[in-house]
Amino acid sequence: DGGITQSPKYLFRKEGQNVTLSCEQNLNHDAMYWYRQDPGQGLRLIYYSQIVNDFQKGDIAEGYSVSREKKESFPLTVTSAQKNPTAFYLCASNRQGANTGELFFGEGSRLTVL
Amino acid sequence: QQQVKQSPQSLIVQKGGISIINCAYENTAFDYFPWYQQFPGKGPALLIAIRPDVSEKKEGRFTISFNKSAKQFSLHIMDSQPGDSATYFCAASIAGGFKTIFGAGTRLFVKA
Repeated sequence: DGGITQSPKYLFRKEGQNVTLSCEQNLNHDAMYWYRQDPGQGLRLIYYSQIVNDFQKGDIAEGYSVSREKKESFPLTVTSAQKNPTAFYLCASNRQGANTGELFFGEGSRLTVL
Repeated sequence: QQQVKQSPQSLIVQKGGISIINCAYENTAFDYFPWYQQFPGKGPALLIAIRPDVSEKKEGRFTISFNKSAKQFSLHIMDSQPGDSATYFCAASIAGGFKTIFGAGTRLFVKA
């Protein structure tokens, strides 16, 4: 079955550590996105990528980094520069030709900073 | 201009009742308005969507009503069931753009 796989589902991090969240899709979608979800704030865009080796900052990119070396993969690194990293992180994709808002989401990764 | 305002923040409905969630937007360039359903610990899933050239779209028990002049749209869940208990997000996007703007979400609880 096609879909988006995010790992790990739960992650604990000590302050000052970088962590990387994995996102893999087998939908053959070109566009991939990372969103952050906090209670009562909806989903906020961190980074997006339309094609391999290209990505753009979203609304809250500070303290995060991404790479897009393969079409299927779009990992997100939460760096120590992110001041409040505890959140639910969602990876999404979108097929070429579809409406921008027609997103397929993974099941998310919950990051907790200890 | 880029915001989508969603209300109410939470909603409790009796089984069999109608759940209504409202959203408002400012940017008239938005041309696609999806609704997403999210269960606890899961990612959101596209539920139903509408374009501004129609005033209503119905899929099963779920209906979107769209008022272009008022820049408002709403989700109606008819015959609400306990299995509908979830968080619902409205959203808006622009064709050819790269961003989808989400509302803050509504937590729906359907009492059995």
